[in-house]
Amino acid sequence: SQELEQSPQSLIVQEGKNLTINCTSSKTLYGLYWYKQKYGEGLIFLMMLQKGGEEKSHEKITAKLDEKKQQSSLHITASQPSHAGIYLCGAPGRAGANNLFFGTGTRLTVIP
Amino acid sequence: SAVISQKPSRDICQRGTSLTIQCQVDSQVTMMFWYRQQPGQSLTLIATANQGSEATYESGFVIDKFPISRPNLTFSTLTVSNMSPEDSSIYLCSVSRDSNTEAFFGQGTRLTVV
Repeated sequence: SQELEQSPQSLIVQEGKNLTINCTSSKTLYGLYWYKQKYGEGLIFLMMLQKGGEEKSHEKITAKLDEKKQQSSLHITASQPSHAGIYLCGAPGRAGANNLFFGTGTRLTVIP
Repeated sequence: SAVISQKPSRDICQRGTSLTIQCQVDSQVTMMFWYRQQPGQSLTLIATANQGSEATYESGFVIDKFPISRPNLTFSTLTVSNMSPEDSSIYLCSVSRDSNTEAFFGQGTRLTVV
């Protein structure tokens, strides 16, 4: 099955600082989804990347997909307390699938 | 995006009993999935809910323990049967309109088995 490793596992940053979260796959990536989860709640969809080299941005969050490296990164610019939460990457096990295997998660804390 | 309603949002149940979780979507979707998130862990896919046929279960999950129904394109249920404390988790429903499209999640059902 697909294995996704996220780094770092946790991150504490000062408000206003930039940060990057990485997601590395043990197998070929057929796309990559990023989600944010607040404690004990459902997942908020952030972005879906489908092609190698693809980059998407929404507000202060940018995600990139490097298919050759089987890796994706999520970058937050000028972090705010509202960015705090657990960030999860998920990937389909095969091309065209929507059932996802998830990474280990990165817990982000933003200090005001 | 899709609006997904999961019920109940949380429950505390006695061991040996069963709980049925409902997932209602505001529009028709092709795909529905059920996930489990054990305390402090990431999400694990339980099964794909297939409309009009038996669900497709992932390794480690069986129909007798997690029966799933999907009577139409907007609704699915997951039952956690004969519960034990190890079943205490958040259970999440996910939907996609079609392949290669976004996958959205419900707010989850937090289950505690005592």
